[in-house]
Amino acid sequence: GAVVSQHPSWVICKSGTSVKIECRSLDFQATTMFWYRQFPKQSLMLMATSNEGSKATYEQGVEKDKFLINHASLTLSTLTVTSAHPEDSSFYICSARDPGTSGYNEQFFGPGTRLTVL
Amino acid sequence: AQKITQTQPGMFVQEKEAVTLDCTYDTSDPSYGLFWYKQPSSGEMIFLIYQGSYDQQNATEGRYSLNFQKARKSANLVISASQLGDSAMYFCAMREGINSGYALNFGKGTSLLVTP
Repeated sequence: GAVVSQHPSWVICKSGTSVKIECRSLDFQATTMFWYRQFPKQSLMLMATSNEGSKATYEQGVEKDKFLINHASLTLSTLTVTSAHPEDSSFYICSARDPGTSGYNEQFFGPGTRLTVL
Repeated sequence: AQKITQTQPGMFVQEKEAVTLDCTYDTSDPSYGLFWYKQPSSGEMIFLIYQGSYDQQNATEGRYSLNFQKARKSANLVISASQLGDSAMYFCAMREGINSGYALNFGKGTSLLVTP
């Protein structure tokens, strides 16, 4: 199956700093990538949909100026949490859609990034 | 409005027994897909099984089967012969048609604990 990586796998930062999380599709070109956030013991909530070469589409309630998404190439999307605060501490998971996959399961998940803001 | 409902926050099952995890969904789109994912404590999302809205037969993948009742809008996951390694969070998810942009809508999850 297709492989999606995320870097870093975990990060601890001070309040007020910015953190960048990378999501890469390793063996396919992803026209669309998705960013999800998961608080402890809760479900995955879609934050934004990112299409290569265009602006990301954010879900209602997600601040686009705080969560900057860049999908500059077909294999890389980045999520930057700007001026992070403790309430931004969460598990961030990306997924990438492989349009070349036949069938239904064309979305592949990264291993996630655990962000802790002190 | 919640599109995917998982009413069981936690479930226990004894090893080698079968267990059913409930999932109901809400959509007016005639074309949709239903997914089940397993999330162990490591956090990775592991795809288990898929059911398309137009599929005539219930999906099966090894020990996993999906009890799809379209009229009731339910897509329950059945795990047969439970193993200790099945202990994890299980999420039901739905993808609605093409206009959704292919994003998945997740339920709140069910925590499954398999006991010896």
